[in-house]
Amino acid sequence: DTGVSQNPRHKITKRGQNVTFRCDPISEHNRLYWYRQTLGQGPEFLTYFQNEAQLEKSRLLSDRFSAERPKGSFSTLEIQRTEQGDSAMYLCASSLAGQVYNEQFFGPGTRLTVL
Amino acid sequence: RKEVEQDPGPFNVPEGATVAFNCTYSNSASQSFFWYRQDCRKEPKLLMSVYSSGNEDGRFTAQLNRASQYISLLIRDSKLSDSATYLCVVNDYGGSQGNLIFGKGTKLSVKP
Repeated sequence: DTGVSQNPRHKITKRGQNVTFRCDPISEHNRLYWYRQTLGQGPEFLTYFQNEAQLEKSRLLSDRFSAERPKGSFSTLEIQRTEQGDSAMYLCASSLAGQVYNEQFFGPGTRLTVL
Repeated sequence: RKEVEQDPGPFNVPEGATVAFNCTYSNSASQSFFWYRQDCRKEPKLLMSVYSSGNEDGRFTAQLNRASQYISLLIRDSKLSDSATYLCVVNDYGGSQGNLIFGKGTKLSVKP
């Protein structure tokens, strides 16, 4: 399968715990995006990377959130001291920089439930 | 004012019907426009990019009106498998790059 993959697919944690999610983009894509989606809403942008550089962070990304893409391939999103409000689907997408339309392709998401 | 606005629906239509979705966006500098389809508890999947001159892909036709900041999607001869939420999406920057801004989606239910 050459699409975007994400792990784990589901995560249940207790409030206050730390969690880490992984995203593997489409292999030739150099841009990687993280979004968050809650029920009844469209995905909301969190942050994006071009290669290993983190180029933008949304104000939605509080200090408890950190994302890395150390070698410009896979990325991790860590949430520290989780809160119930962090419960959501975390989606990763990738694209190829330089294309006219910057079409982004999404992975299956990681569904986080904070108890 | 929300950045991307859509009628949430639901649109309940019989098989074979033609259905149209509309969307408005607030950032006049946006350059890239898309329709994504999202099935329940699945990821969004790119349905089609929306070109300035309008474009068609089989039963699906997308139109863009930059002056009115309006995007539309027309689905002809609806199939049961078209049942999903349709997300209107624009890019956040004046160029064609950058992150995407999603509408809340319009839910379509096609009945036999």
